[in-house]
Amino acid sequence: QITLKESGPTLVKPTQTLTLTCTFSGFSLSTSGVGVGWIRQPPGKALEWLALIYWDDDKRYSPSLKSRLTITKDTSKNQVVLTMTNMDPVDTATYYCAHFSTVTTYDYWGQGTLVTVSS
Amino acid sequence: SYELTQPLSVSVALGQTARITCGGNNIGNKNVHWYQQKPGQAPVLVIYRDSNRPSGIPERFSGSNSGNTATLTISRAQAGDEADYYCQVWDSSVVFGGGTKLTVL
Repeated sequence: QITLKESGPTLVKPTQTLTLTCTFSGFSLSTSGVGVGWIRQPPGKALEWLALIYWDDDKRYSPSLKSRLTITKDTSKNQVVLTMTNMDPVDTATYYCAHFSTVTTYDYWGQGTLVTVSS
Repeated sequence: SYELTQPLSVSVALGQTARITCGGNNIGNKNVHWYQQKPGQAPVLVIYRDSNRPSGIPERFSGSNSGNTATLTISRAQAGDEADYYCQVWDSSVVFGGGTKLTVL
């Protein structure tokens, strides 16, 4: 079965760079039509899409955050890494990674990881 | 940028039908996906491409999309259906609606 799990720091300071890792199993990121995306959710607020990387290494970013985001994949390790620069308290949120299919969109999600930005 | 509009809250009596709308300019021309999120849990896909149910999602969940409105319909609402529901489309990037809190009375 498909599973995903996010890992990374729970607390970062303002201006620092956040690095999150999504480790997955049950699928290959070299399979056509497959991708892994990142979505975040500030406490009590709506979902916000961040980035998506496809099997062919095509990458898409949220227009409003594009300058701060980088998404990469390591197919051999079954991992996807998201970096976000210049963190601010407004970036405090639960960050989710999710399996993406061109047919069924974001059909499997990780449990999420809460990242707090505070000095 | 493309915007999706959802009501903040919808209430439904136990056993009745709930309808949650998602408004967007010519949304009928896009594929709409719906997610259910219960408190403290990750979102779960309940409808993809307007009206398709992933495996394991009850037939009580259905979707439609036409014109400027997509609708998630939950028949025979149960207490366990209480959750936040989000619609999502792709319009040069992924866009989520603001979410609707469903209360089952």
